[in-house]
Amino acid sequence: SQQGEEDPQALSIQEGENATMNCSYKTSINNLQWYRQNSGRGLVHLILIRSNEREKHSGRLRVTLDTSKKSSSLLITASRAADTASYFCATDGGRGGSNYKLTFGKGTLLTVNP
Amino acid sequence: NAGVTQTPKFRVLKTGQSMTLLCAQDMNHEYMYWYRQDPGMGLRLIHYSVGEGTTAKGEVPDGYNVSRLKKQNFLLGLESAAPSQTSVYFCASRPVRVGSEQYFGPGTRLTVT
Repeated sequence: SQQGEEDPQALSIQEGENATMNCSYKTSINNLQWYRQNSGRGLVHLILIRSNEREKHSGRLRVTLDTSKKSSSLLITASRAADTASYFCATDGGRGGSNYKLTFGKGTLLTVNP
Repeated sequence: NAGVTQTPKFRVLKTGQSMTLLCAQDMNHEYMYWYRQDPGMGLRLIHYSVGEGTTAKGEVPDGYNVSRLKKQNFLLGLESAAPSQTSVYFCASRPVRVGSEQYFGPGTRLTVT
């Protein structure tokens, strides 16, 4: 079964606006990662946040993690048309689980209109 | 560095035919993975390997076999293809370090008719 579930499934915004995507998961984790996939391509890692971190920044990306709610959000500020892609969260096994494997959500399709 | 490469990029099979997908990585990663991606389903793990000569089942292993004879290569085999195996297949690798990211190949689009 899927560990992570992104919300919304699809998001359409104008260039310059901020985009927020959410991820919920079911069991404890060690790390949560966000990946991006351009149409027809493989996934590319964006950012990792550890279970003892609450917020992390990387350029125009801001990730938050609330382990009490088992949820994370990815904020892309000042979006550009080139940010159009699908975004996936991925979680590892957590306490007693596997550190080898990631479980991916179904993704959020972000469309940034010029 | 080429990173993670996959061969072939596209393939059409008839039901019952067999084929092997090849994944190669030049980053000396210990862990390698095969996923399939279907519309609305996200990525699902088929098999993975934590080192040369080792393999393990993922979430959807039925109908697939894998081999990791060399550290840099991870092969995915379909012995008797079925239309349900029509999908895009992605290979990924990562180093041993806990919490490290996975590096993905460009994908193989497989159609089984």
